[in-house]
Amino acid sequence: DAGITQSPRYKITETGRQVTLMCHQTWSHSYMFWYRQDLGHGLRLIYYSAAADITDKGEVPDGYVVSRSKTENFPLTLESATRSQTSVYFCASSDRQSGYTFGSGTRLTVV
Amino acid sequence: TQLLEQSPQFLSIQEGENLTVYCNSSSVFSSLQWYRQEPGEGPVLLVTVVTGGEVKKLKRLTFQFGDARKDSSLHITAAQPGDTGLYLCAGAWGSQGNLIFGKGTKLSVKP
Repeated sequence: DAGITQSPRYKITETGRQVTLMCHQTWSHSYMFWYRQDLGHGLRLIYYSAAADITDKGEVPDGYVVSRSKTENFPLTLESATRSQTSVYFCASSDRQSGYTFGSGTRLTVV
Repeated sequence: TQLLEQSPQFLSIQEGENLTVYCNSSSVFSSLQWYRQEPGEGPVLLVTVVTGGEVKKLKRLTFQFGDARKDSSLHITAAQPGDTGLYLCAGAWGSQGNLIFGKGTKLSVKP
């Protein structure tokens, strides 16, 4: 089915561990984004990508790494998870013409 | 830092009432989008407004973009329980046109 898929939906990890959140889209949209959503802060942009092999920092990039070797995939890696990275993470894609399409999110808890 | 302020933050009304949600900024945006988010899901695009003064209607929802493209409003007529959710405004800015989001208005419509 066409769409944007995030995995896992839920993840619990320990402080200091590396964890990767996956995002896959089937529309061949050029742009992809990672946001985190926290109470009191709303949605904040972590990283975005304009095309394969092109990525750039957003508002809150520290502690995160992204890659985009293929147009359809945009994984987000937390190199050494901290409790402050407990959040709901949303991936989105866009062709810049018709707004953003969001995935269903990954709820990450760092203990 | 670009800021979008939404008001009110919370709104609880009875079915059949009318309501208006506001989205304000001191910055000019090239376009403004409204999204609706239900619990456990990602935001879903409702509308994009581009031209200052533009008004768009989507059934019982009316969206307006301010003349100066700094603010927007969402008006819902005869609210229904199915309208319950988090309403987010998002402004496109900068050369990349990335979106920044307001913190949202949480609407609860009671039958």
